[in-house]
Amino acid sequence: QVQLQESGPRLVKPSETLSLTCTVSGGSISPYYWSWIRQPPGKGLEWIGYIYYSGSTIYNPSLKSRVTISVDTSKKQFSLKLTSVTAADTAVYYCARHQTAVKGTFLNFFNFWGQGTLVTVSS
Amino acid sequence: DIQMTQSPSFVSASVGDRVTITCRASQGISSWLAWYQQKPGKAPKFLIYTASNLQSGVPSRFSGSGSGTDFTLTISRLQPEDFATYYCQQANSFPLTFGGGTKVEIK
Repeated sequence: QVQLQESGPRLVKPSETLSLTCTVSGGSISPYYWSWIRQPPGKGLEWIGYIYYSGSTIYNPSLKSRVTISVDTSKKQFSLKLTSVTAADTAVYYCARHQTAVKGTFLNFFNFWGQGTLVTVSS
Repeated sequence: DIQMTQSPSFVSASVGDRVTITCRASQGISSWLAWYQQKPGKAPKFLIYTASNLQSGVPSRFSGSGSGTDFTLTISRLQPEDFATYYCQQANSFPLTFGGGTKVEIK
């Protein structure tokens, strides 16, 4: 069973960069799509972006200017960097794997999720 | 962006009740819709994909229907473990977007 685990600093100062890593265990990082999703306390879910194991990415336009997602297949990890953070970026950040469909295609639904990590932006 | 609107925002129900949650897309999304269940402090759990397909291991009391802009999630006989918040998500186009959530509470 695939397991995902987020890691990284839980407290980030305003204007600095939020950095998180998701480590994949119990399965391969290829040939899958991987996303970051966040949820501000008491609010709904926001998709941040995805990366394919080969490195291609798509980002949410609302965050595109500040987001970078990268992958390290040798470590079975993918990472999120969000620059110039403000209090509005305080959220639980989840990593997730996209669903595999028949014949090896992929759907943009999320069937495996990490437990999530709360990142607080505060001085 | 495609806006996903769920209704109601809150449902108060009893064990054994039938519960229906609606999700409306701001434009047609064919059947590119999923449903998730989230309990406090936990990650969302994948329930239904492409509007009506039950994810493996999900109880058959959960069902989904709809296409185009209007979708429903039905829990046929509510169980104690079903009290949670439910989200819809569209996968028709980027950015992927979620509904605001429907909290199913104990009456």
